[in-house]
Amino acid sequence: QVQLQESGPGLLKPSGTLSLTCAVSGGSISSTDWWSWVRQTPGKGLEWLGEIYHSGSTKYNPSLQSRLTISVDKSKNQFSLMLISVTAADTAMYYCAKNTGRPSARFFDIWGPGTMVTVSS
Amino acid sequence: QSVLTQPPSVSGAPGQRVTISCTGSGSNIGAGYEVHWYQQFPGTAPKLLIYDNNNRPSGVPDRFSASKSGTSASLAITGLQAEDEADYYCQSYDSSLSGSRVFGGGTKLTIL
Repeated sequence: QVQLQESGPGLLKPSGTLSLTCAVSGGSISSTDWWSWVRQTPGKGLEWLGEIYHSGSTKYNPSLQSRLTISVDKSKNQFSLMLISVTAADTAMYYCAKNTGRPSARFFDIWGPGTMVTVSS
Repeated sequence: QSVLTQPPSVSGAPGQRVTISCTGSGSNIGAGYEVHWYQQFPGTAPKLLIYDNNNRPSGVPDRFSASKSGTSASLAITGLQAEDEADYYCQSYDSSLSGSRVFGGGTKLTIL
């Protein structure tokens, strides 16, 4: 059974760069699945940030596309998120997730436990 | 504002049946894209509950079911149990947003 684990700094300053990594265990990141980042702001709903295939192909949420980069490292069986120019609005719980299914019907079948990120001076 | 609209809260007594609606538009649910549902307990990650409109992953009780019609979808929970108290989210695909995956704002289910 595939398991996911997020890691990264819990606190960063405004205008800084957020970098998170999701380690994949129990399976290969080079499977036919895609790999996503989803965040949840305190007390609010879920927001899909973007996804990546092991080939390096990516899709991003248009609202974040100018600040977001998702990359994959097949040798380490992990994928990463980099979000630049962060503000307090980026304070959220960040989840990595495996998504499966047809391109227009993908759903998130496995989630990491999440990592809380706070942006504050 | 979420692309998919859910009621903020619903409630029901043990043993009763409740439904949670998820309303979209012609660029997502109305365009025929599948709807998926997630269950989230406080302090934990969401868990897949229903996929492709009405399919349950292994281990999900058949008390949970879902349907889709037009621009809306709904999740039904029968025989409510105390452990069903959680947040529920719908998710679909939106073709007007460069092919984004979109979520509903979530519905808090309270067991009376």
